[in-house]
Amino acid sequence: DTAVSQTPKYLVTQMGNDKSIKCEQNLGHDTMYWYKQDSKKFLKIMFSYNNKELIINETVPNRFSPKSPDKAHLNLHINSLELGDSAVYFCASSLGAGGTGELFFGEGSRLTVL
Amino acid sequence: SQQGEEDPQALSIQEGENATMNCSYKTSINNLQWYRQNSGRGLVHLILIRSNEREKHSGRLRVTLDTSKKSSSLLITASRAADTASYFCATDRPTPLVFGKGTRLSVIA
Repeated sequence: DTAVSQTPKYLVTQMGNDKSIKCEQNLGHDTMYWYKQDSKKFLKIMFSYNNKELIINETVPNRFSPKSPDKAHLNLHINSLELGDSAVYFCASSLGAGGTGELFFGEGSRLTVL
Repeated sequence: SQQGEEDPQALSIQEGENATMNCSYKTSINNLQWYRQNSGRGLVHLILIRSNEREKHSGRLRVTLDTSKKSSSLLITASRAADTASYFCATDRPTPLVFGKGTRLSVIA
């Protein structure tokens, strides 16, 4: 069983479109994250949810909206896609918040905006 | 906000040699973690070291932490081709978890 699974793995779309990436974890963790990894491999935190509540919201454009229907799921919706949104987006989860324990990552969703 | 900075950015060694990567950070921390990322894959946790620890071992991995210098090092002994990957340090402050840009390790068989 995959611990943290995200779909789709690849996403190619045109500028201006709206797209969503879904993430699910079956580890029973309370905290979930979205990270963005750019072409230079720099990994930047975007959002974090703890028990469905938003606890971290880094400087991310309003076009990005996370949604957590329950603590096992954290989806990322992106409106009006721009070229600069092209990146690999990683979902992760951890047992607690605050960076006290290890993060479990999904395999990533590579978004290409044309 | 970026916290950790790994050094070197890239490292190429022969199989069997040791590989050392360094990480420097800016603010005080409670713990520091190291992760590995194989090409095209997600990050995998390697080891966590707390601020009151100076050294930790896990198999062929040895991690040190010097809070006075705000730095950590990851040593991989007797490297193997399968160790080829990017290695990232991550801190729990200022925002958990903040990653560096990583060190790209290439182990040549």
